Amino acid sequence: AQSVTQLGSHVSVSEGALVLLRCNYSSSVPPYLFWYVQYPNQGLQLLLKYTSAATLVKGINGFEAEFKKSETSFHLTKPSAHMSDAAEYFCAVSDRSGGKLIFGQGTELSVKP
Amino acid sequence: DAGVTQSPTHLIKTRGQQVTLRCSPKSGHDTVSWYQQALGQGPQFIFQYYEEEERQRGNFPDRFSGHQFPNYSSELNVNALLLGDSALYLCASSRRGGSGNTIYFGEGSWLTVV
Repeated sequence: AQSVTQLGSHVSVSEGALVLLRCNYSSSVPPYLFWYVQYPNQGLQLLLKYTSAATLVKGINGFEAEFKKSETSFHLTKPSAHMSDAAEYFCAVSDRSGGKLIFGQGTELSVKP
Repeated sequence: DAGVTQSPTHLIKTRGQQVTLRCSPKSGHDTVSWYQQALGQGPQFIFQYYEEEERQRGNFPDRFSGHQFPNYSSELNVNALLLGDSALYLCASSRRGGSGNTIYFGEGSWLTVV
């Protein structure tokens, strides 16, 4: 069975500050891991994905995430927050069969000027 | 290159009615999945279609059914609507066997049941 836990339903940072969104996963098989962003009243946009190549994954808009097997974590970071980063962020896990994604509950990121 | 497209974008139905939502996958994709996202929640997997057959199903009642057509487009049908079915319904597409299992989502269909 697979599951995802996102620590913190709401994170607030100042513009220019570090963004850190936490994600821990549980999986009985080697996982694929994903981060998606959802802007208000929109669908999901893929930020980045881990598929067992490099453990440090770089995505769009300056985001990156590091896969740490020993900690079962896949935290999302960005060195300097922009106002446009304000959105809902979802971490997701899947197996490698091309099947379903299992999502966390989401973390709402607010960016203060 | 068009991404995943869904229709309608918004609709309102009455309890007990039936609804059909439609999805066209991204070009080159042959697998379609449907997700339900209730307000303030993460998306929940409903089912996945490949080669016109349901391949995997989440924990949803039989009131939720689907179909995939030869051109890979898909429909989601929900019968006997309940108030709790009010949600954003997301369609996702991918290519079977594609490297990295990248899944792309549409903008969703907002369903309100009154």
